Amino acid sequence: GAVVSQHPSWVICKSGTSVKIECRSLDFQATTMFWYRQFPKQSLMLMATSNEGSKATYEQGVEKDKFLINHASLTLSTLTVTSAHPEDSSFYICSARGGQGNYGYTFGSGTRLTVV
Amino acid sequence: AQSVTQLGSHVSVSEGALVLLRCNYSSSVPPYLFWYVQYPNQGLQLLLKYTTGATLVKGINGFEAEFKKSETSFHLTKPSAHMSDAAEYFCAVSNPTGAQKLVFGQGTRLTINP
Repeated sequence: GAVVSQHPSWVICKSGTSVKIECRSLDFQATTMFWYRQFPKQSLMLMATSNEGSKATYEQGVEKDKFLINHASLTLSTLTVTSAHPEDSSFYICSARGGQGNYGYTFGSGTRLTVV
Repeated sequence: AQSVTQLGSHVSVSEGALVLLRCNYSSSVPPYLFWYVQYPNQGLQLLLKYTTGATLVKGINGFEAEFKKSETSFHLTKPSAHMSDAAEYFCAVSNPTGAQKLVFGQGTRLTINP
C-alpha cells in the first residue's frame, strides 16, 4: 500500500536554530503534498500545499519566511522551521496525494517538535 | 468554502456497543468525504472515503459511513466497539477539483469502556 515516511519523528532544538522535516512518498509519486500543524487535542490546521517543482501555496496567516517548504522531486517535500521559537513547538504532519487511487491522501507519522 | 462539523468532541461507549460518530459538512460542490483515525503521536490512517457511487461506504476495522446529501451528513458507525477502537477520529471534506485540500473537523475522541 501507499506509504509516506516522515522524519524525524521527534526533535528538540534550541531557540533560534532551524529544523528540517522530511516527507517522502516511498512507493508512489506525489505531485502534491500538504503540511499540517496540530496543537494538543486539536484538529489539523493546513499550513501549505506544495506542488513538485513550484512554489508552495501558504494558507492565510502562515509565515512563508518562517516555514520554508521545498518540493524538489515527486517523492520528497521538506518543511524547514527557521529561527524556531518555543511557540513553534507542535506536531507537524505531512500528507501526499496519490497512492490510494485518484482521490487518496496518505499521511506521514508526524514530527513532534519541541523548541527549548 | 467547505467546512466540517463533528458533533461531540468526546464519545464514550461500552465494549461491544454501537459506535456512532457524527459528521456534518458544508460544501458548494459535490464533496469528497473522508474519515480518518489517529492514535497518540501518530499520523492519520484512512478508515474510508466517499467519492461517487454507492452512498454506504465500508471501510477498515468494521467501520462504515453513509453519505446523506439531503442531511449533509457522513456519520461513521461500527456495530460493536472494540477496545482497540479508542482513538481520535477526524471527518474531512475536499473539493474534487481545484486545490483538493482536505478540510478537517475538530475531531472526536472515542473512549471504550470495558
